[in-house]
Amino acid sequence: QVTLRESGPALVKPTQTLTLTCTFSGFSLSTSGMCVSWIRQPPGKALEWLALIDWDDDKYYSTSLKTRLTISKDTSKNQVVLTMTNMDPVDTATYYCALYSSGWSTFDYWGQGTLVTVSS
Amino acid sequence: QSALTQPPSASGSPGQSVTISCTGTSSDVGGYNYVSWYQQHPGKAPKLMIYEVSKRPSGVPDRFSGSKSGNTASLTVSGLQAEDEADYYCSSYAGSNRHVVFGGGTKLTVL
Repeated sequence: QVTLRESGPALVKPTQTLTLTCTFSGFSLSTSGMCVSWIRQPPGKALEWLALIDWDDDKYYSTSLKTRLTISKDTSKNQVVLTMTNMDPVDTATYYCALYSSGWSTFDYWGQGTLVTVSS
Repeated sequence: QSALTQPPSASGSPGQSVTISCTGTSSDVGGYNYVSWYQQHPGKAPKLMIYEVSKRPSGVPDRFSGSKSGNTASLTVSGLQAEDEADYYCSSYAGSNRHVVFGGGTKLTVL
């Protein structure tokens, strides 16, 4: 059974760096084809893809946010970490991590999401 | 502004069929058979409903079907039920540079 769970601060101040952790079970990020991705959704708005890391430690970032994002993995802990620098109120959103299968390019399973508010 | 264009809303009565479109370009929807559809109920995480344009994961009712023509993909929900009322998002693989793009979402209302 695949599960993913996001954790991190609910509130960050403008200009601070956000660090989110995705802890997963039910699959191994060392298995070929397996990837973990981050997606966000501002309140009342659409989904936005942020970043992805694959089994081979290759990393991919949203073109518009790549200068602010870093994704990494700890395979032994079954965790993927996303950092986003220079947070702004427009970054207020629910942040999801998801299992992405590269074979058919789809997000098979999602975490429940964590709401991050950026405010002073 | 989302990379893929979806109508903001769609509606139908119970038992009817409704189709939601998702329009991209030859660099995403039109270039790959990797279109997915997700259902999202209020306050919940998205759930995969269709992948690779027309395939259904185990457990998704066959009332949900997908197709693609050129740069436009479509999701059809047949035999509408009250529980189908939700937001629906399409996504597409967009090559090694952009990787994944989403649509702006469509709110489906069951009248």
